[in-house]
This record gives sequence, structure tokens and C-alpha cells, in this order.
Amino acid sequence: EPEVTQTPSHQVTQMGQEVILRCVPISNHLYFYWYRQILGQKVEFLVSFYNNEISEKSEIFDDQFSVERPDGSNFTLKIRSTKLEDSAMYFCASRAGLNMYGYTFGSGTRLTVV
Amino acid sequence: KQEVTQIPAALSVPEGENLVLNCSFTDSAIYNLQWFRQDPGKGLTSLLLIQSSQREQTSGRLNASLDKSSGRSTLYIAASQPGDSATYLCAVPLNSGYSTLTFGKGTMLLVSP
Repeated sequence: EPEVTQTPSHQVTQMGQEVILRCVPISNHLYFYWYRQILGQKVEFLVSFYNNEISEKSEIFDDQFSVERPDGSNFTLKIRSTKLEDSAMYFCASRAGLNMYGYTFGSGTRLTVV
Repeated sequence: KQEVTQIPAALSVPEGENLVLNCSFTDSAIYNLQWFRQDPGKGLTSLLLIQSSQREQTSGRLNASLDKSSGRSTLYIAASQPGDSATYLCAVPLNSGYSTLTFGKGTMLLVSP
């Protein structure tokens, strides 16, 4: 079964540092997403990406966040200057299409900001 | 705005029991509903995707039902096993834009041997 792969599985960073979280979506999928889950809370939508541009973003996805698909296979989430409240599990997801299509999620990156 | 509620928040059962997890959502204009399993500190594994035109979807010991008009879905687990212990999440996509998912908080299931 095709998988969404995320690296690293766990990252610890100092407040104010930049981090890049990496994802390899399923190869024939067209829509890519980042979600996050703060410990003990619901999974929340951050951003969706289609046709090499952001298609939707939530209020959480402010100027400190950016996404990129640099080489046609990787999909990255960058946080420019991390804050303590960015500590969360970050999930990448992809879909083959919209509407009737389900999501496939990666195993997540646990980001700890100290 | 879509709100998703899952009841109960936690459930503890002995092995072998059949059980039902509940999910309700406020906006019934959905394309589909997806049930996920999350093990502690791990990712989201898709269990079942049920389209808005379907009333039920089955996979092994799992059966999901959907009543779109009343905004409800149930996940039925037959003959539960200790390996079923996990958090079960219900998620619905917004019926607009790029159909981003709204998640419930989940039901934490513990099946004891």
C-alpha cells in the first residue's frame, strides 16, 4: 500500500530557530496538506497545496510558515522562527483528488521547541 | 463552520465485546466521512472512508454507518481485541474549497485481555 513518508520523526529545536519538516507524498497524488496536533487537542488544518501553490490556509498558517514542493516529490513545511507554542505533532497528507477522495496521512513529525 | 463531536471520549471494555463509537457533525453538506485510528504518539491510519451516498462501509471487523441528514456516523467494532486499543478519530471534509478536514477529538479505546 502506498505511503506518505515524513522525516524526521522527532525534532527538537531552540526557540527562534528555523525548522524544515519534510514529506514525500504518494507519487500520483495531486493535493497536499499539512495538519498539526498539539498534545491533547484536535488535529487542525494548516495549509493545502495544489498545482505548486497554496490553495487554502488556516489562521494558524501565518507569515512564519511556508510550504514548498522543491523537486516534484518532496513537500516541505518551514517554520522561520519557532515559538514554544509551535510544539506539536505535524502531519503531512495527500489525496489523489478532491471531494470523493480520502486522505492518506504520514506518521508525523513531533516538533519540540525548547 | 463545521463542528465534529465524538462520544464517548474514552471507553474501556473487556476483550471480545462489540462496541460502538459515535460521531456527530453540524453541517450535513459533506462529501464523505473518514474514520482514522491513532496509536499514542503516532500518525493517523485510515480505517474507513464512507461516501455521502453510502449508508455503510465495512472492513473486516469494522463497520461504519453514515446518516448524513441527521449528522451522525457510528463505527462498530466487532469482537474487540487488545490490539484495537487506540484513539479513533472521525473527520469530515468541508463541502467547499479544497475540502479540508475537520476532526473530532477522538474516542480513546482500551480493550483489556
